[in-house]
Amino acid sequence: AQSVSQHNHHVILSEAASLELGCNYSYGGTVNLFWYVQYPGQHLQLLLKYFSGDPLVKGIKGFEAEFIKSKFSFNLRKPSVQWSDTAEYFCAVNMYSSASKIIFGSGTRLSIRP
Amino acid sequence: EAGVTQFPSHSVIEKGQTVTLRCDPISGHDNLYWYRRVMGKEIKFLLHFVKESKQDESGMPNNRFLAERTGGTYSTLKVQPAELEDSGVYFCASSQLRASGSNEQFFGPGTRLTVL
Repeated sequence: AQSVSQHNHHVILSEAASLELGCNYSYGGTVNLFWYVQYPGQHLQLLLKYFSGDPLVKGIKGFEAEFIKSKFSFNLRKPSVQWSDTAEYFCAVNMYSSASKIIFGSGTRLSIRP
Repeated sequence: EAGVTQFPSHSVIEKGQTVTLRCDPISGHDNLYWYRRVMGKEIKFLLHFVKESKQDESGMPNNRFLAERTGGTYSTLKVQPAELEDSGVYFCASSQLRASGSNEQFFGPGTRLTVL
């Protein structure tokens, strides 16, 4: 069965700390990979996506993620977090070149201490 | 361009009652999806429409849930009768219909359903 695993349920960091959120997926085929973010009181929005090409993907607000096919991983990183990065982050996957359903991880709540 | 909209934003009903959620996709998006997040759990797929046709309804939990998309524009999701375990946030998403290539889904703000 397809699944997405996020390693951390809740991460607490101080401002300027570096961030890495782990994500592993289980999917029998070529995939599209996503990180979504939900800021308090706001919509779920796309942070970055990987469809093909360079496995290091740059997203909005200084985030990046690296697709490592051999490890079935798509970890999210940011070198220096800000208080405004406080949000819930979701790793997700769907079948490559498809309009199929997205499979989400359980989410990681990120709290940034000012 | 307007995004995906959902109505209502919140709904509080009693067990056994009926609730209808509405989703308006981005104009021109033929793909429409429903997802649900029960508190503390992951966001789970419910159903996928392509225009007015149900492409994949493998995530619908049981026959108390009925989704429609008459005319291929907006969609409704009816829960009848509602049970306590139906509480959660219901998200709608839409995407363009493409023959190939990437397919980004755009999400609405969600409807928070509370069943008492």
